[in-house]
Amino acid sequence: GNSVTQMEGPVTLSEEAFLTINCTYTATGYPSLFWYVQYPGEGLQLLLKATKADDKGSNKGFEATYRKETTSFHLEKGSVQVSDSAVYFCALNYGPGGFKTIFGAGTRLFVKA
Amino acid sequence: KAGVTQTPRYLIKTRGQQVTLSCSPISGHRSVSWYQQTPGQGLQFLFEYFSETQRNKGNFPGRFSGRQFSNSRSEMNVSTLELGDSALYLCASSVGLAGTTDTQYFGPGTRLTVL
Repeated sequence: GNSVTQMEGPVTLSEEAFLTINCTYTATGYPSLFWYVQYPGEGLQLLLKATKADDKGSNKGFEATYRKETTSFHLEKGSVQVSDSAVYFCALNYGPGGFKTIFGAGTRLFVKA
Repeated sequence: KAGVTQTPRYLIKTRGQQVTLSCSPISGHRSVSWYQQTPGQGLQFLFEYFSETQRNKGNFPGRFSGRQFSNSRSEMNVSTLELGDSALYLCASSVGLAGTTDTQYFGPGTRLTVL
């Protein structure tokens, strides 16, 4: 069946460090891939998405590329800030007819000043 | 535009009772999805409604049901509550016409505690 696997946290980084959060998926057909972020005390919000192979999603300095050959959608940021501390979820939507969504377990990121 | 709203924000129930949660989507959105978030199981898809019809369903028992009204507002019902139903229930809305590429906007959630 369809599934999403992301690296376990927590991940602790110093400010301005490089961030990678790994995400791999298993899916039939042509899913769309998403990264969501949940800041402390706030709701879940879309960070970026990619809807077909080789698409790159980007937002707020974060990037992820939809790699069909490696079934991956790793999240990267060149220089993290303290304000990036949050829980990050990788997710996929699959059909047919509307969508179902599968989320990864989430990765908590702590950024130290 | 107003975001997705969920009511109530907090609920305390006892085992065996039933509960109804409400979700108002963003204006113009016709798809509403529901999710259960727990520390042990993470975020799990419950169901998706579009134009008053359940279009997709996750792997939850029949005690979990939902419906959608003509104004796209949705309700979720859980009957015969169990301790394991304690969770944050999230609702998300989307336009509903873009299939798997649809972007979902999440509400703040309803925190349900079952005693």
